[in-house]
Amino acid sequence: RKEVEQDPGPFNVPEGATVAFNCTYSNSASQSFFWYRQDCRKEPKLLMSVYSSGNEDGRFTAQLNRASQYISLLIRDSKLSDSATYLCVVWGGKLIFGTGTRLQVFP
Amino acid sequence: DAMVIQNPRYQVTQFGKPVTLSCSQTLNHNVMYWYQQKSSQAPKLLFHYYDKDFNNEADTPDNFQSRRPNTSFCFLDIRSPGLGDAAMYLCATSRDDAGSSYNEQFFGPGTRLTVL
Repeated sequence: RKEVEQDPGPFNVPEGATVAFNCTYSNSASQSFFWYRQDCRKEPKLLMSVYSSGNEDGRFTAQLNRASQYISLLIRDSKLSDSATYLCVVWGGKLIFGTGTRLQVFP
Repeated sequence: DAMVIQNPRYQVTQFGKPVTLSCSQTLNHNVMYWYQQKSSQAPKLLFHYYDKDFNNEADTPDNFQSRRPNTSFCFLDIRSPGLGDAAMYLCATSRDDAGSSYNEQFFGPGTRLTVL
């Protein structure tokens, strides 16, 4: 079983749509959780940290369920510029990356 | 702007010919990391330096070595590249090696290695 699992997608959504990505992790001792964004052939960049209480940054909302070892990212009012791969990342002594979920927003 | 710089951006080498990739940072971060990312796969940590202390991942092949001569620079040496080593190599830095968002890892643009 992979340490961090994500649906690879792609998710093809129209502009303005709401889209949700899910992620599960296997190590219950994991301490910190993040979503990174990676554009095609570019480096990963931190999108947001994920806290147990849930956190929001503009159109982006992240949730963590430690009991289920489950992390989610919700994007509201999708923009063309949101098209990218979204990497679920877990810290357990080092960063463990999921393989990412690809999002394509179309006009 | 403070940043993580990788050179070259694209590197072509021949099977078995040693190659060195370089990374520099102006962030004055303590920790520097090297990741390997193959197409449609997750970045995989090869090793990292905390200051001068080298930390190798258990599954990193011996073919991969690293040097950090000073705070700003870190090198990835591939002694005998094989076809399976073709990948994007990402350098990253962080203030410390704990997992909080305070210690966000900043990635360089990567070096795409082709092995002929």
